[in-house]
Amino acid sequence: DVKVTQSSRYLVKRTGEKVFLECVQDMDHENMFWYRQDPGLGLRLIYFSYDVKMKEKGDIPEGYSVSREKKERFSLILESASTNQTSMYLCASSYGELREQYFGPGTRLTVT
Amino acid sequence: AQSVTQLDSQVPVFEEAPVELRCNYSSSVSVYLFWYVQYPNQGLQLLLKYLSGSTLVKGINGFEAEFNKSQTSFHLRKPSVHISDTAEYFCAVRPGSNMLTFGGGTRLMVKP
Repeated sequence: DVKVTQSSRYLVKRTGEKVFLECVQDMDHENMFWYRQDPGLGLRLIYFSYDVKMKEKGDIPEGYSVSREKKERFSLILESASTNQTSMYLCASSYGELREQYFGPGTRLTVT
Repeated sequence: AQSVTQLDSQVPVFEEAPVELRCNYSSSVSVYLFWYVQYPNQGLQLLLKYLSGSTLVKGINGFEAEFNKSQTSFHLRKPSVHISDTAEYFCAVRPGSNMLTFGGGTRLMVKP
């Protein structure tokens, strides 16, 4: 079974802190994605990566950055957390363009 | 640009009743269509997908969906729901090789 893991299920941070969310997949997938999930808005793509050290902006990249130094790991970085970044963050991975995306369990981030 | 509209944010239904979750999309190009399910405190899991061929697609857990190109719809159906189907359901669209665009989600609440 494909496994996508995220470093934390729940995280509480203060405004202005630098926040790292980690995602690891164990199936040698090329593509990795970061989404945020908000009630009524569904999932919105923040960033994605189709190869090591490659990244592309999604629909809502403002306030976020990413890092992919190894194929299996994709990190989302909030340089200076703000309260409007309180959300559920979901990581996903896939192999090839038309294959399904496999999702991690999510990290619920609260910024106070 | 494409968009996905899930017409109902919540659908309450009694156990063993049929259910239909509605999804409409807008896109200027041919699309691939997906339904994902999110059980409480879990990530998303693929229910079914339409890439080409028969417009009636069968998925896991007894769900099926029908692609209607003229009405730009991809409604999800199940003839008899169980308590365990209580979850949030997301419709997603993928035009060609572009990234997934998700709808806002529909919360299915199955009552005994």
